[in-house]
Amino acid sequence: NAGVTQTPKFQVLKTGQSMTLQCAQDMNHNSMYWYRQDPGMGLRLIYYSASEGTTDKGEVPNGYNVSRLNKREFSLRLESAAPSQTSVYFCASLYRAPQDTQYFGPGTRLTVL
Amino acid sequence: GDSVTQMEGPVTLSEEAFLTINCTYTATGYPSLFWYVQYPGEGLQLLLKATKADDKGSNKGFEATYRKETTSFHLEKGSVQVSDSAVYFCALSKGAGFQKLVFGTGTRLLVSP
Repeated sequence: NAGVTQTPKFQVLKTGQSMTLQCAQDMNHNSMYWYRQDPGMGLRLIYYSASEGTTDKGEVPNGYNVSRLNKREFSLRLESAAPSQTSVYFCASLYRAPQDTQYFGPGTRLTVL
Repeated sequence: GDSVTQMEGPVTLSEEAFLTINCTYTATGYPSLFWYVQYPGEGLQLLLKATKADDKGSNKGFEATYRKETTSFHLEKGSVQVSDSAVYFCALSKGAGFQKLVFGTGTRLLVSP
């Protein structure tokens, strides 16, 4: 099992460019999440998908869109990147039983110039 | 709203020293509490958790006890190793349904030989 994988690992964008961050999990988990990590702020939830076909906003959704393509894949799209979106982005999936545990990917470091 | 407060870092210790990282929370109801660890260049991994008052979570020599009276979940280890150098995040989640984690800002631990 690869667990949770994310691509790309690093990306540099110019203001106004668009891009999609990819996330996939091979653990057959129903629920998936996107977080951003900023210095001194911990991780903040951007969007989540409780199950295939559903998505919901988290704490900081502005400027982002998501797609739950199928049970395995959950992508995050920046339509018009801004410097404030410079961050490290983590995808996670949730293992429900016997106790809820989130498994995280290795992250994507995004810089917007 | 719900929140988690952790001590500022970095915490700098010599190998075999005793570790305490403080964590307090604010939440209504009865949250579950977690410690996650992030090694350099990696995603977060669950270290331990506790789901009700007076529960003790433990893993890899680390321990934390859920103290409802003081709303705390302090992380301890009796003898740290260089390999424990990482960033430690305290987090909470609420409700019996879908898990949404609220993270603290993280505490960096540096252990020197």
